[in-house]
Amino acid sequence: GAVVSQHPSWVICKSGTSVKIECRSLDFQATTMFWYRQFPKQSLMLMATSNEGSKATYEQGVEKDKFLINHASLTLSTLTVTSAHPEDSSFYICSARDLTQYFGPGTRLTVL
Amino acid sequence: AQSVTQLDSQVPVFEEAPVELRCNYSSSVSVYLFWYVQYPNQGLQLLLKYLSGSTLVKGINGFEAEFNKSQTSFHLRKPSVHISDTAEYFCAVSDQRYSTLTFGKGTMLLVSP
Repeated sequence: GAVVSQHPSWVICKSGTSVKIECRSLDFQATTMFWYRQFPKQSLMLMATSNEGSKATYEQGVEKDKFLINHASLTLSTLTVTSAHPEDSSFYICSARDLTQYFGPGTRLTVL
Repeated sequence: AQSVTQLDSQVPVFEEAPVELRCNYSSSVSVYLFWYVQYPNQGLQLLLKYLSGSTLVKGINGFEAEFNKSQTSFHLRKPSVHISDTAEYFCAVSDQRYSTLTFGKGTMLLVSP
């Protein structure tokens, strides 16, 4: 099956700093990528849909100025958490789509 | 709008026993249906999917699911589970046009020796 990677797999940062998470489709081109957030013992919450070459579409309640998404190529999308605070600590998962969505391994963000 | 209901938050079962994880969906249009598995601190892995054709779908690791349109269900089954099947299982539905996945809340499968 298709492979999606995420980097880093985990990150710890100080409150107020920005963190960038990369999502790559390794063996296929993805015009659409998705970013999810998952709280402990809960399901995935879709944050935004990222389309190559255009602005991301954010779900209701997700701050687009806080969670910056860039989809510069058909194999790479980035999520930047700006001015991170402890409440942003979470597990962030991306996915890339051809017909099926394939998920990355996730990035655990801890903001101190 | 679509929704997915996974009726059981946890399913405890003994090793080598059969298991069924239930999933019901609602949608006003035709749908694609998926089951994903998530091991601790990992992303989601696709187990199987229903796009069209045969309503009985076989996936990886010995799992299968049956699409029942009249009952709007897509239950996941395995005839004999292993300890290594212990994980969180998510059912998801996708609108054919928009392809955004809507997830259920997940079912934790706990396999004991």
